[in-house]
Amino acid sequence: SYVLTQPPSVSVAPGKTARITCGGNNIGSKSVHWYQQKPGQAPVLVIYYDSDRPSGIPERFSGSNSGNTATLTISRVEAGDEADYYCQVWDSSSDHQVFGGGTKLTVL
Amino acid sequence: EVQLVESGGGLIQPGGSLRLSCAASEFTVSGNYMSWVRQAPGKGLEWVSVIYSGGNTFYADSVKGRFTISRDNSKNTLYLQMNSLRAEDTAVYYCARSTAVVAAFDYWGQGTLVTVSS
Repeated sequence: SYVLTQPPSVSVAPGKTARITCGGNNIGSKSVHWYQQKPGQAPVLVIYYDSDRPSGIPERFSGSNSGNTATLTISRVEAGDEADYYCQVWDSSSDHQVFGGGTKLTVL
Repeated sequence: EVQLVESGGGLIQPGGSLRLSCAASEFTVSGNYMSWVRQAPGKGLEWVSVIYSGGNTFYADSVKGRFTISRDNSKNTLYLQMNSLRAEDTAVYYCARSTAVVAAFDYWGQGTLVTVSS
């Protein structure tokens, strides 16, 4: 089965740039989606199809995908960005959706 | 406003059965790809099952043979029948919508907690 690997945690100071990676075999050939989840809340879509932003998501959130790594970039990080972030793809070989293990973003 | 509202969670003994419901508003369940995603306490997201707009169904290996996904078009509601429940099935269960198999989950319900314990 397809596996997505994320770092368990990323820390960043306010105003700086946070980069959260999502590794997978030839992930660049897949469509990657990213979700933000705050404690006690349902996940919220922040990036879809590698780099598109849903309406209402700040331009500070961006995404890229190439080779074996997809990256979620959050510029000018704010305290309110502190959350868990998950990447997700569809694995065509199994018809299964796959989530990464999640990354806890801490704003110092 | 698009809305997904889950219900049916609760405390159940190991080996028991439970049926979760997810009522949709402002879009048709039958015209979309509807999934169940769960999250064990303190853990990450785990995809559980999907029903395609055409009716095909798929399951995670961890629940295959025990869980059944279905929908009632007249009620615009998604279901998850869970049998032979185990302690490791304890989680918040979310229903989520995507508009295509490769598309993102653009709408999520608020989740319903299932606790499997004696």
